[in-house]
Amino acid sequence: EPEVTQTPSHQVTQMGQEVILRCVPISNHLYFYWYRQILGQKVEFLVSFYNNEISEKSEIFDDQFSVERPDGSNFTLKIRSTKLEDSAMYFCASSAARTANTEAFFGQGTRLTVV
Amino acid sequence: DAKTTQPTSMDCAEGRAANLPCNHSTISGNEYVYWYRQIHSQGPQYIIHGLKNNETNEMASLIITEDRKSSTLILPHATLRDTAVYYCIVRPLNQAGTALIFGKGTTLSVSS
Repeated sequence: EPEVTQTPSHQVTQMGQEVILRCVPISNHLYFYWYRQILGQKVEFLVSFYNNEISEKSEIFDDQFSVERPDGSNFTLKIRSTKLEDSAMYFCASSAARTANTEAFFGQGTRLTVV
Repeated sequence: DAKTTQPTSMDCAEGRAANLPCNHSTISGNEYVYWYRQIHSQGPQYIIHGLKNNETNEMASLIITEDRKSSTLILPHATLRDTAVYYCIVRPLNQAGTALIFGKGTTLSVSS
């Protein structure tokens, strides 16, 4: 069964450093998302991406964040200068279409720890 | 914020049906009801979705009331592996996209 793959599973970085989280969406999917979940809190939407541009973003997704689809398979989330409060699980998701009738499938996440 | 209300927690005995309610009284006509679950800290797992008709798949059944103001997710024979946080989500359709907005969900504990 096709699945969304995220790497690495765990990343530790120093405060102020740049970090890139990587995702390989399901191959025929066209619509991509990033979410995060701070420990003990709810899953929060960050950004959605379609046709090589951001479709929607939340208030959390400020200038420190960026997304890119550098090639035909990868989808990345970059945090330019990490802060302690960026420590969280980051989930990538993809869906075959952008309609409300199309389910999104999530990866297993990258645990980011900022020290 | 999420447009749904769910109980914080529920318990279920292994082998019995788990019925998880969700209130979405302000749902509009073009919004779908989605259910996801999250086992421990894994990625959310899609379960089922529907618009107004009842739906069933290999994982669960979704019963939506006729007025669409509430729904129930039914796991017909709960197992210990069904212990998870279950999220009921009303999915908006707008020009920009259709992001899933998660609330706090219901923590379902299945015990033997």
